[in-house]
Formats: sequence, C-alpha cells, structure tokens
Amino acid sequence: GENVEQHPSTLSVQEGDSAVIKCTYSDSASNYFPWYKQELGKGPQLIIDIRSNVGEKKDQRIAVTLNKTAKHFSLHITETQPEDSAVYFCAASRTATGGFKTIFGAGTRLFVKA
Amino acid sequence: EAQVTQNPRYLITVTGKKLTVTCSQNMNHEYMSWYRQDPGLGLRQIYYSMNVEVTDKGDVPEGYKVSRKEKRNFPLILESPSPNQTSLYFCASKVDSSNTEAFFGQGTRLTVV
Repeated sequence: GENVEQHPSTLSVQEGDSAVIKCTYSDSASNYFPWYKQELGKGPQLIIDIRSNVGEKKDQRIAVTLNKTAKHFSLHITETQPEDSAVYFCAASRTATGGFKTIFGAGTRLFVKA
Repeated sequence: EAQVTQNPRYLITVTGKKLTVTCSQNMNHEYMSWYRQDPGLGLRQIYYSMNVEVTDKGDVPEGYKVSRKEKRNFPLILESPSPNQTSLYFCASKVDSSNTEAFFGQGTRLTVV
C-alpha cells in the first residue's frame, strides 16, 4: 500500500550545525508535501510545504527539496537552535476521491544540544 | 485566537466503557479529521469529514465512530474501548478538502486498561 518512509528516527546535532531529515514516498500521484513540527505536549504545526511543481522552497533557516523522479523529499534546518528540538513529521498528499489522501511518515525526534 | 480545542487532554478508562472525545474549531473550516499517533507509526487517519453531515473512514476506523452535526464540532466516539486503542489522539481542521495547511489540536492521551 501507500507509505512514507522517514529517516532518521532520531537525530542529535550540536547547536549551530545543520540537520537533514529525509522522506521517501511510494504513491507517484502525490503532489503536496507538508512538514510538521510537534513540540512536547502540543499538536503538530505546519512549518513548510512544497508542491510537486517546485523543486525547492526556503523559509529563513528551513528549506525543503523535492525530487519527483526519485520520489524523495528532504527537510534541511541550518544553524540549529535548542528551540528546534522537537519531533518532525513529513507527509505526502494527493487528490483522491472524496477529497485528498495524506500519508504521514513515522517522525524524527531532533535533539539540538546547546 | 484561531484554534482547535480537544477535550479531555488526558483520559484513563476501562475496557468497554463508552467515551467521547470532543473537538471544536473556531475557524469555520469545512474539513475536519481525527488521527491517532503511535510510536514508530506516525499519524494515522481514523475518520474525516468534508462538511456537515459528510463523514468517511480513514485508514484505521475500526472501533471508532464520529459525527458532524455542526460545522465547528467533530466528536470522536469509542463505543467499547479496548486496550489497543490506547494512544495519543489529534483532531485537525482545514479550510477545505484541498491540499492546504491542517491545524491540529493539542492532543488527547487516552489509556484503556
């Protein structure tokens, strides 16, 4: 069935370093790829998204890249800060009968050490 | 403040005792959904609703019911909870069913013993 694989499951970096989280999706019809950040005790919150007609998108210290041929997309966080510590979820979504279909990755727990 | 509100935040119950988790949004969103979050499995959709009186099954609907009598409310009902429904539950809403940002509630941690 359709799935999204996310790696790594846990990532620990030093403050100021970069962090990269990678996702691979199986459904070639996917056309929307959001990334959510979940802080402790809170619900996921959208931080950046990319659509299939774009290869890269950047918003300050975060960027997302998409390779449709490889069905692969990545989240890049530069100059990490302790407040970036959280669980990050990638997702792949496509238009489907009755609306749309979104599949989430399993999540990556990011630790940023001060 | 635009938000999705779930209640309760924490709940411990016994097997077989019916319970309802409420969800309310104040953004006039058409689309609402329920997810469960389990370690190593990410977020899995239980049910969704595209508008009032329109609901449909997600990926893991067994053991759950929902209703959408009003636009702002989307309660999740467990008629006969079982231990395998112990999980962290999130309600989410979107403007509509297109590919746009989903707003999540703060979660309900349910334990069924």
